[in-house]
Amino acid sequence: EDQVTQSPEALRLQEGESSSLNCSYTVSGLRGLFWYRQDPGKGPEFLFTLYSAGEEKEKERLKATLTKKESFLHITAPKPEDSATYLCAVVLSTGGFKTIFGAGTRLFVKA
Amino acid sequence: GAVVSQHPSRVICKSGTSVKIECRSLDFQATTMFWYRQFPKQSLMLMATSNEGSKATYEQGVEKDKFLINHASLTLSTLTVTSAHPEDSSFYICSARERGSSIQYFGAGTRLSVL
Repeated sequence: EDQVTQSPEALRLQEGESSSLNCSYTVSGLRGLFWYRQDPGKGPEFLFTLYSAGEEKEKERLKATLTKKESFLHITAPKPEDSATYLCAVVLSTGGFKTIFGAGTRLFVKA
Repeated sequence: GAVVSQHPSRVICKSGTSVKIECRSLDFQATTMFWYRQFPKQSLMLMATSNEGSKATYEQGVEKDKFLINHASLTLSTLTVTSAHPEDSSFYICSARERGSSIQYFGAGTRLSVL
Protein backbone atom coordinates (compact mmCIF):
# COMPACT_ATOMS: atom_id res chain seq x y z
CA GLU A 1 0.00 0.00 0.00
CA ASP A 2 1.28 3.46 -0.90
CA GLN A 3 2.07 5.41 2.21
CA VAL A 4 3.63 8.70 3.31
CA THR A 5 4.68 9.21 6.92
CA GLN A 6 5.93 12.44 8.43
CA SER A 7 7.83 12.77 11.67
CA PRO A 8 7.81 14.18 14.20
CA GLU A 9 4.15 15.17 14.53
CA ALA A 10 5.19 18.34 16.30
CA LEU A 11 8.52 20.03 16.84
CA ARG A 12 9.34 22.85 19.20
CA LEU A 13 12.53 24.79 18.59
CA GLN A 14 14.21 27.82 20.01
CA GLU A 15 14.98 30.57 17.56
CA GLY A 16 18.28 29.73 15.87
CA GLU A 17 18.10 26.04 16.73
CA SER A 18 18.48 24.13 13.47
CA SER A 19 16.66 20.84 12.92
CA SER A 20 15.17 18.54 10.30
CA LEU A 21 11.72 17.26 9.46
CA ASN A 22 11.35 13.81 7.94
CA CYS A 23 9.05 12.45 5.26
CA SER A 24 9.37 8.73 4.57
CA TYR A 25 7.48 7.09 1.77
CA THR A 26 6.62 3.65 0.47
CA VAL A 27 5.08 3.92 -2.97
CA SER A 28 4.76 1.85 -6.08
CA GLY A 29 6.42 4.50 -8.22
CA LEU A 30 7.55 8.04 -7.47
CA ARG A 31 6.98 10.85 -9.93
CA GLY A 32 7.85 13.62 -7.51
CA LEU A 33 7.87 14.70 -3.89
CA PHE A 34 6.56 18.06 -2.77
CA TRP A 35 6.88 20.15 0.34
CA TYR A 36 4.24 22.65 1.34
CA ARG A 37 3.91 25.09 4.21
CA GLN A 38 0.50 25.66 5.75
CA ASP A 39 -0.31 28.47 8.16
CA PRO A 40 -3.37 28.15 10.43
CA GLY A 41 -6.59 28.88 8.56
CA LYS A 42 -4.82 29.07 5.20
CA GLY A 43 -4.28 26.81 2.23
CA PRO A 44 -0.91 25.09 1.73
CA GLU A 45 1.80 27.13 0.05
CA PHE A 46 4.06 25.33 -2.39
CA LEU A 47 7.74 25.23 -1.37
CA PHE A 48 9.71 22.61 -3.29
CA THR A 49 9.54 19.81 -5.80
CA LEU A 50 12.09 16.99 -5.82
CA TYR A 51 12.12 14.40 -8.56
CA SER A 52 15.12 12.14 -8.10
CA ALA A 53 17.31 10.76 -5.33
CA GLY A 54 20.19 13.05 -4.54
CA GLU A 55 18.34 16.18 -5.57
CA GLU A 56 18.40 19.18 -3.24
CA LYS A 57 16.50 22.46 -3.28
CA GLU A 58 17.00 25.53 -1.11
CA LYS A 59 14.94 28.56 -0.24
CA GLU A 60 16.06 30.97 2.44
CA ARG A 61 16.43 28.95 5.65
CA LEU A 62 14.90 25.80 4.16
CA LYS A 63 16.65 23.01 2.33
CA ALA A 64 14.92 19.90 1.01
CA THR A 65 16.70 16.67 0.16
CA LEU A 66 15.54 13.38 -1.33
CA THR A 67 16.66 9.77 -1.13
CA LYS A 68 14.97 6.64 -2.45
CA LYS A 69 13.06 6.19 0.80
CA GLU A 70 12.67 9.60 2.39
CA SER A 71 12.98 13.32 2.19
CA PHE A 72 14.26 15.77 4.76
CA LEU A 73 13.35 19.39 5.20
CA HIS A 74 16.25 21.04 6.97
CA ILE A 75 15.59 24.31 8.75
CA THR A 76 18.69 26.35 9.50
CA ALA A 77 18.57 28.96 12.26
CA PRO A 78 14.77 29.13 12.28
CA LYS A 79 12.86 32.25 13.19
CA PRO A 80 9.43 32.52 14.82
CA GLU A 81 7.90 33.30 11.43
CA ASP A 82 8.90 29.80 10.28
CA SER A 83 6.28 28.40 12.65
CA ALA A 84 3.73 26.53 10.54
CA THR A 85 2.68 23.04 9.54
CA TYR A 86 4.90 21.51 6.88
CA LEU A 87 3.24 19.00 4.58
CA CYS A 88 4.96 16.44 2.43
CA ALA A 89 3.19 15.02 -0.62
CA VAL A 90 4.18 12.27 -3.02
CA VAL A 91 2.92 12.12 -6.58
CA LEU A 92 2.76 8.62 -7.96
CA SER A 93 4.08 7.77 -11.40
CA THR A 94 1.01 5.63 -12.03
CA GLY A 95 -2.71 6.34 -11.88
CA GLY A 96 -2.92 9.80 -13.30
CA PHE A 97 -0.58 11.67 -10.95
CA LYS A 98 -2.33 10.52 -7.78
CA THR A 99 -1.05 12.53 -4.82
CA ILE A 100 -0.66 11.21 -1.29
CA PHE A 101 -0.22 13.72 1.53
CA GLY A 102 1.50 13.08 4.82
CA ALA A 103 -0.15 14.17 8.05
CA GLY A 104 2.24 17.08 8.47
CA THR A 105 4.71 18.30 11.06
CA ARG A 106 3.66 21.23 13.20
CA LEU A 107 6.68 23.43 13.82
CA PHE A 108 6.79 25.94 16.65
CA VAL A 109 9.74 28.30 16.86
CA LYS A 110 10.04 30.30 20.04
CA ALA A 111 11.85 33.62 20.20
CA GLY B 1 2.55 33.07 -11.00
CA ALA B 2 0.41 30.01 -10.15
CA VAL B 3 -2.20 31.79 -8.07
CA VAL B 4 -5.39 30.06 -7.04
CA SER B 5 -8.19 32.20 -5.70
CA GLN B 6 -10.86 30.67 -3.48
CA HIS B 7 -14.00 32.49 -2.45
CA PRO B 8 -15.53 33.03 0.02
CA SER B 9 -12.95 32.69 2.76
CA ARG B 10 -15.61 32.24 5.39
CA VAL B 11 -19.30 31.47 5.30
CA ILE B 12 -21.88 30.97 8.00
CA CYS B 13 -25.22 29.50 7.00
CA LYS B 14 -28.33 27.98 8.46
CA SER B 15 -28.92 24.25 8.44
CA GLY B 16 -30.71 23.16 5.27
CA THR B 17 -29.34 25.84 3.00
CA SER B 18 -26.88 25.31 0.16
CA VAL B 19 -23.49 26.96 -0.08
CA LYS B 20 -21.34 27.45 -3.17
CA ILE B 21 -17.56 27.83 -3.03
CA GLU B 22 -15.59 29.05 -6.03
CA CYS B 23 -12.05 28.16 -7.00
CA ARG B 24 -10.28 30.02 -9.78
CA SER B 25 -6.84 29.68 -11.30
CA LEU B 26 -5.78 33.25 -12.06
CA ASP B 27 -2.75 32.89 -14.28
CA PHE B 28 -2.81 29.38 -15.67
CA GLN B 29 -5.22 26.89 -17.14
CA ALA B 30 -6.22 24.30 -14.59
CA THR B 31 -7.03 21.11 -16.42
CA THR B 32 -7.48 19.36 -13.07
CA MET B 33 -8.85 20.74 -9.84
CA PHE B 34 -9.11 19.07 -6.46
CA TRP B 35 -11.34 19.63 -3.48
CA TYR B 36 -10.15 18.80 0.02
CA ARG B 37 -11.64 18.89 3.44
CA GLN B 38 -9.49 19.48 6.50
CA PHE B 39 -10.39 18.86 10.12
CA PRO B 40 -8.58 20.69 12.93
CA LYS B 41 -4.98 19.61 13.29
CA GLN B 42 -5.37 16.97 10.62
CA SER B 43 -4.05 16.66 7.12
CA LEU B 44 -5.93 17.15 3.90
CA MET B 45 -8.65 14.69 2.98
CA LEU B 46 -9.26 14.50 -0.74
CA MET B 47 -12.96 14.70 -1.56
CA ALA B 48 -12.97 14.73 -5.33
CA THR B 49 -10.97 15.35 -8.46
CA SER B 50 -12.43 17.20 -11.40
CA ASN B 51 -11.18 17.54 -14.94
CA GLU B 52 -12.38 20.37 -17.10
CA GLY B 53 -15.49 19.43 -19.03
CA SER B 54 -16.05 16.08 -17.39
CA LYS B 55 -17.74 14.73 -14.29
CA ALA B 56 -15.88 14.79 -11.02
CA THR B 57 -14.42 11.64 -9.53
CA TYR B 58 -15.36 11.33 -5.88
CA GLU B 59 -13.36 9.54 -3.22
CA GLN B 60 -14.91 6.65 -1.37
CA GLY B 61 -17.33 7.79 1.28
CA VAL B 62 -17.95 11.23 -0.21
CA GLU B 63 -21.58 11.76 -1.25
CA LYS B 64 -21.67 13.18 -4.74
CA ASP B 65 -25.25 14.39 -4.33
CA LYS B 66 -24.23 16.24 -1.19
CA PHE B 67 -21.10 17.82 -2.58
CA LEU B 68 -21.75 18.96 -6.14
CA ILE B 69 -18.69 19.81 -8.16
CA ASN B 70 -18.68 21.66 -11.45
CA HIS B 71 -15.54 22.32 -13.50
CA ALA B 72 -17.05 24.23 -16.36
CA SER B 73 -13.97 26.02 -17.60
CA LEU B 74 -10.19 25.80 -17.47
CA THR B 75 -10.08 28.43 -14.75
CA LEU B 76 -13.11 27.77 -12.58
CA SER B 77 -14.41 24.97 -10.41
CA THR B 78 -17.21 25.20 -7.90
CA LEU B 79 -18.17 23.10 -4.91
CA THR B 80 -21.76 23.30 -3.73
CA VAL B 81 -22.61 21.86 -0.35
CA THR B 82 -26.29 21.05 -0.66
CA SER B 83 -28.67 21.08 2.29
CA ALA B 84 -25.82 21.77 4.67
CA HIS B 85 -25.93 20.43 8.21
CA PRO B 86 -23.74 21.17 11.23
CA GLU B 87 -21.62 18.08 10.54
CA ASP B 88 -20.62 19.65 7.22
CA SER B 89 -18.90 22.45 9.09
CA SER B 90 -15.25 22.28 8.14
CA PHE B 91 -12.38 23.89 6.27
CA TYR B 92 -12.63 23.27 2.53
CA ILE B 93 -9.62 23.83 0.28
CA CYS B 94 -9.30 23.64 -3.47
CA SER B 95 -6.20 23.15 -5.54
CA ALA B 96 -5.44 23.33 -9.23
CA ARG B 97 -2.97 21.65 -11.51
CA GLU B 98 -1.88 22.62 -15.00
CA ARG B 99 -1.78 20.10 -17.85
CA GLY B 100 1.42 18.07 -17.78
CA SER B 101 2.40 19.31 -14.34
CA SER B 102 2.26 17.36 -11.11
CA ILE B 103 2.34 20.43 -8.84
CA GLN B 104 -0.89 21.39 -7.09
CA TYR B 105 -1.38 25.03 -6.16
CA PHE B 106 -3.82 25.68 -3.39
CA GLY B 107 -6.46 28.25 -2.64
CA ALA B 108 -6.61 29.94 0.73
CA GLY B 109 -9.49 27.77 1.91
CA THR B 110 -13.08 28.35 2.99
CA ARG B 111 -14.23 28.01 6.57
CA LEU B 112 -17.83 26.77 6.53
CA SER B 113 -19.90 26.99 9.68
CA VAL B 114 -23.41 25.55 9.60
CA LEU B 115 -25.67 26.63 12.44
